[in-house]
Amino acid sequence: AQSVSQHNHHVILSEAASLELGCNYSYGGTVNLFWYVQYPGQHLQLLLKYFSGDPLVKGIKGFEAEFIKSKFSFNLRKPSVQWSDTAEYFCAVRPSYNNNDMRFGAGTRLTVKP
Amino acid sequence: ETGVTQTPRHLVMGMTNKKSLKCEQHLGHNAMYWYKQSAKKPLELMFVYNFKEQTENNSVPSRFSPECPNSSHLFLHLHTLQPEDSALYLCASSQDARTGGSYTFGSGTRLTVV
Repeated sequence: AQSVSQHNHHVILSEAASLELGCNYSYGGTVNLFWYVQYPGQHLQLLLKYFSGDPLVKGIKGFEAEFIKSKFSFNLRKPSVQWSDTAEYFCAVRPSYNNNDMRFGAGTRLTVKP
Repeated sequence: ETGVTQTPRHLVMGMTNKKSLKCEQHLGHNAMYWYKQSAKKPLELMFVYNFKEQTENNSVPSRFSPECPNSSHLFLHLHTLQPEDSALYLCASSQDARTGGSYTFGSGTRLTVV
């Protein structure tokens, strides 16, 4: 079955540490890729997306993600996290042949200690 | 405010009750979605409407009944629910489900079935 895996359930970092959150998917073919963020008590917000072109995507708030097709991965990175980055992060994948079928990972909770 | 408004924010209902969740968007989008968010599980796609037509029913039990009277409004009618249906129900919209694009999410309705 098609799926999206986020390997880390909960990540705890100190401020200024570097962040990498893993996301792997099992779809074949062309995909659109997304990272969404949910700050405490708030709605899901788009962080960044990849449709085509440069596999290194820059998003808001200093986040970036790299699409590695051979590894079916779309890992999220940030060189230096801040306390305000504490949130839950969701990877989402949608096959380009079925735009209805947006699948999300289970989410990774990031806690940044001041 | 995201442009996607969900009401009520919280709902507690008995297993024999009938209630409805409402979602409204003023973004000019033509696609609307219902997702279920349970703790530690991926977001589950429930229904997709595109230009008021249902284009996806992800094997959702009949105790959940969606309604989309126009492109701006989406309802989820609930009846004879089970305790395991307790979750956060998220509504999202996008420009057109056929052409992809990112989603805008509402803040969700936290449903508790007792």
